[in-house]
Amino acid sequence: GNSVTQMEGPVTLSEEAFLTINCTYTATGYPSLFWYVQYPGEGLQLLLKATKADDKGSNKGFEATYRKETTSFHLEKGSVQVSDSAVYFCALSNPGGFKTIFGAGTRLFVKA
Amino acid sequence: NAGVTQTPKFQVLKTGQSMTLQCAQDMNHNSMYWYRQDPGMGLRLIYYSASEGTTDKGEVPNGYNVSRLNKREFSLRLESAAPSQTSVYFCASSRQGEKSDTQYFGPGTRLTVL
Repeated sequence: GNSVTQMEGPVTLSEEAFLTINCTYTATGYPSLFWYVQYPGEGLQLLLKATKADDKGSNKGFEATYRKETTSFHLEKGSVQVSDSAVYFCALSNPGGFKTIFGAGTRLFVKA
Repeated sequence: NAGVTQTPKFQVLKTGQSMTLQCAQDMNHNSMYWYRQDPGMGLRLIYYSASEGTTDKGEVPNGYNVSRLNKREFSLRLESAAPSQTSVYFCASSRQGEKSDTQYFGPGTRLTVL
């Protein structure tokens, strides 16, 4: 079946450090891939997405590239800020779309 | 434009009590979802409604029922609450339920069952 595996947290970085959060997936067919972010006390919101192989999603300085050959969708940001502290979820959605599969989430702490 | 709203924000129940979680969206979306979020487990789909008038089971439907009241509203009912249902519950909606659709989430309901 479909699954998403992302690196365990928490990840603790200093401000302006480089961020990578790894995400790999198992899926049949050609899923869409997503990164959602959850700030404290809030619901999830879309950070970026990619709908086909080699697509790069980007938003607010974050990027992720849909790599079908390695079944990966790693999240990167060149210089994190304290305001990026949140929980990040990798997710996939197959045709039919309704049963989105979420990873367990990775908590990021950024220190000033 | 409020997006997805949920009530209540917090609830404490005793084992065996019942309650209904309410969800509404004002984005004219066709598809709606109920998830639960537990530490270390990400989000798990309880039920979804592909369109008004239809509902289907997700990954963890046992102990829950849903009603798609109209296009805007999708409620989740716990008939006889159990401690294992202590969790944070999120409602979400999407335009069509297609694989590329973004899901929009409500702020969540934190439920404790004693």
